[in-house]
Amino acid sequence: AQSVTQLDSHVSVSEGTPVLLRCNYSSSYSPSLFWYVQHPNKGLQLLLKYTSAATLVKGINGFEAEFKKSETSFHLTKPSAHMSDAAEYFCVSSLPGGKLIFGQGTELSVKP
Amino acid sequence: EPEVTQTPSHQVTQMGQEVILRCVPISNHLYFYWYRQILGQKVEFLVSFYNNEISEKSEIFDDQFSVERPDGSNFTLKIRSTKLEDSAMYFCASSERTSGDSTDTQYFGPGTRLTVL
Repeated sequence: AQSVTQLDSHVSVSEGTPVLLRCNYSSSYSPSLFWYVQHPNKGLQLLLKYTSAATLVKGINGFEAEFKKSETSFHLTKPSAHMSDAAEYFCVSSLPGGKLIFGQGTELSVKP
Repeated sequence: EPEVTQTPSHQVTQMGQEVILRCVPISNHLYFYWYRQILGQKVEFLVSFYNNEISEKSEIFDDQFSVERPDGSNFTLKIRSTKLEDSAMYFCASSERTSGDSTDTQYFGPGTRLTVL
């Protein structure tokens, strides 16, 4: 069965330092993978998606993620955190019919 | 930028009552979804809807649940007789599904928090 695991429920960084949010997936085939972000009282917003083209995917707001099949990982990174990056982040996999499988979410805190 | 909207933002109801959660998907989108997130748990898929019928539903989506697109803009989720365990955040999403596969992006609304007392 397809599943997504986010390895950290909470990550705290200082403003200006790098961000790493970890995600591992399990799938019997090459999946489509997404990262969504949710700010308080807002909908889930797409940051980026991987769809079997380039393994390094660039998204909005300076985020990027690298698909590593050998490690079954799709970690999200950003070189320098901003205060506005504080939010909850979801790693998501998609099944062929469109059904999304969510990780449990990682709450990112950014300290001044 | 077009966005998915949901109303109400918070709904409180008594156990056994019927509730209708409303969503307005992005206007040119063809596929519609409901997900829910019970507090402290993962977001989970409930149902997908296309061409006025259910495409796929999860085990959670039993006979107490129904979906409808009553007009050209709204997409609703009805829970016929609410239970305590239905308390959750309910998210609506829509996609264009132009590619017809799993690569399509789903756009989410802000959610409705349902509290069943």
